[in-house]
Amino acid sequence: DAKTTQPTSMDCAEGRAANLPCNHSTISGNEYVYWYRQIHSQGPQYIIHGLKNNETNEMASLIITEDRKSSTLILPHATLRDTAVYYCIVRSFGNEKLTFGTGTRLTIIP
Amino acid sequence: DAGVIQSPRHEVTEMGQEVTLRCKPISGHNSLFWYRQTMMRGLELLIYFNNNVPIDDSGMPEDRFSAKMPNASFSTLKIQPSEPRDSAVYFCASIDRGNTEAFFGQGTRLTVV
Repeated sequence: DAKTTQPTSMDCAEGRAANLPCNHSTISGNEYVYWYRQIHSQGPQYIIHGLKNNETNEMASLIITEDRKSSTLILPHATLRDTAVYYCIVRSFGNEKLTFGTGTRLTIIP
Repeated sequence: DAGVIQSPRHEVTEMGQEVTLRCKPISGHNSLFWYRQTMMRGLELLIYFNNNVPIDDSGMPEDRFSAKMPNASFSTLKIQPSEPRDSAVYFCASIDRGNTEAFFGQGTRLTVV
């Protein structure tokens, strides 16, 4: 699976949109972009995934660039409970193996 | 469903003792994963099973670690003998065929003294 690069940490003001970038320049055609987050002391939690179209669910939006070499996870109205480590993972279709990188530690500031 | 259930939640043991961690995946899920998390190394995939068969155990650190999945509803991760460097949080996760979302348990915090 392709490697991803994320900033180590980010801050965001409560109530504002949190935009978390991820680079995956070596992504191949059958690889999806997944986002998980891990709130302190808990197991990781699935957020969203996409292939090439932008995706939205009740938790977040995922914007994937046209060349698919990068993506952005958007939390539209960040709350203090969104403070967590966010992981961007690239995973090929049919491959159940899920490998985590170092992620981005997002801190929501009151 | 109660989700992925791991036991115990906390384990403190002495160096050299055998430790067994347990996991009950979500009913109907056909893949199960064991992860280890430390501050230094982050989340590491140790092993995963598909339909109770180990598919990839390349992350298992050494022969002291072993994992089994005797049936679809139960898996164990055993460390024998345990060492202080095995101290970590161990997570179990399961995923359904055709589903893209992995569900994680609450983890077992292991401390080896």
